Amino acid sequence: QVQLVQSGTEVKKPGASVKISCKASGYTFSSYYMHWVRQAPGQGLEWMGLINPSGGSTNYAQKFQGRVTMTRDTSTSTVYMELSSLRGEDTAVYYCARDRGPSPGTGLNWFDPWGQGTLVTVSS
Amino acid sequence: QSVLTQPPSASGTPGQRVTISCSGSSSNIGSAAVNWYQQLPGTAPKLLIHSNNQRPSGVPDRFSGSQSGTSASLAISGLQSEDEADYYCAAWDDSLNGYWVFGGGTKLTVL
Repeated sequence: QVQLVQSGTEVKKPGASVKISCKASGYTFSSYYMHWVRQAPGQGLEWMGLINPSGGSTNYAQKFQGRVTMTRDTSTSTVYMELSSLRGEDTAVYYCARDRGPSPGTGLNWFDPWGQGTLVTVSS
Repeated sequence: QSVLTQPPSASGTPGQRVTISCSGSSSNIGSAAVNWYQQLPGTAPKLLIHSNNQRPSGVPDRFSGSQSGTSASLAISGLQSEDEADYYCAAWDDSLNGYWVFGGGTKLTVL
């Protein structure tokens, strides 16, 4: 079955960086784009960007441009999301989610499934 | 402040029908399909409805979605206690360079 397994909880100090992994299994890794979405405590969902595992191209939400880097390792079917210059407002659960549908950017796609989430706490 | 607007809460008794609205604009719901996600307490979101009204396999037909103009809605009929969760709408927004937007979420309470 399709499964996305994320790395564990992280605690970071302000100004540091965090790198989260998302290992995919049960499907052809390079055939589906992957999204990253975060959820601050008690808050809603916020899209951060996506990566094409095939060629490695990315599309980041404007809010995170310059601070986020998404990469992939096709040999291990794993995508990574690194967020730098962390501040308290970055405390959140971070999710990877597989893209489904005809083609990203067409407005016809959706996210399924989602990883289990990775809690990142930023505190001095 | 979420781009898509949802009521923060909704409630119903077992067996009732409840609807959750999602309001957007011409750059998102008005020009793209709407998806709905269910988030049970302490878990990751799960796809509930995609492409405005399509249910993935395994989702009960008690759940249905609709879209009209720049608004969408999720209906749950025959409400059950296990439906108590947060529900989020989402759509692609083609403004700026294009990005995904979500509603703020609606917490459904089964009384």
